[in-house]
Amino acid sequence: DAGVTQSPTHLIKTRGQQVTLRCSPKSGHDTVSWYQQALGQGPQFIFQYYEEEERQRGNFPDRFSGHQFPNYSSELNVNALLLGDSALYLCASTLVTPNTEAFFGQGTRLTVV
Amino acid sequence: DAKTTQPPSMDCAEGRAANLPCNHSTISGNEYVYWYRQIHSQGPQYIIHGLKNNETNEMASLIITEDRKSSTLILPHATLRDTAVYYCIVRAGGFKTIFGAGTRLFVKA
Repeated sequence: DAGVTQSPTHLIKTRGQQVTLRCSPKSGHDTVSWYQQALGQGPQFIFQYYEEEERQRGNFPDRFSGHQFPNYSSELNVNALLLGDSALYLCASTLVTPNTEAFFGQGTRLTVV
Repeated sequence: DAKTTQPPSMDCAEGRAANLPCNHSTISGNEYVYWYRQIHSQGPQYIIHGLKNNETNEMASLIITEDRKSSTLILPHATLRDTAVYYCIVRAGGFKTIFGAGTRLFVKA
């Protein structure tokens, strides 16, 4: 049983460009969340998707958008990249029901130059 | 979401028990206590969770106080590979997981 998989593992982009990161949740999970982790800090919640809709959102600008597909996989899109967007982007999947743990992928390391 | 307070860092001798405290005094009745750890920029790894009873699995034990305002994660026999940042989180159901700064545990030989 594959856990949460993310692609790509590493990415280098130029300021102003756009990027798309992908996440496949753990089998059986229906909810996907995205996090941004800057170096030396804890992960910061970006948003969560369930039933193909954004359910909750953290304090991130509209440049950050997402999508969830019928197979529960998800994409994170970031437009107009800034140097400050350089970070490890983590995807987590879980079930919406209580008493279920979230499983994290290994992340995508994005570097904006 | 309830907030958690953890010490920024702790040391533990290899082979000894590591006891990591967490304060969550504003926890709500439907919020669970979860523990994760993150080793050197890998994705966070789930360790254990509980509501109000003590829990044990192959990795650790979780002790939750009767008033649920604090908890302790116990690694019974710490190894060098347990050196990591440990996050204590409270959340309800499938809602967002809010991370604090965590506790950086150093296991020393």
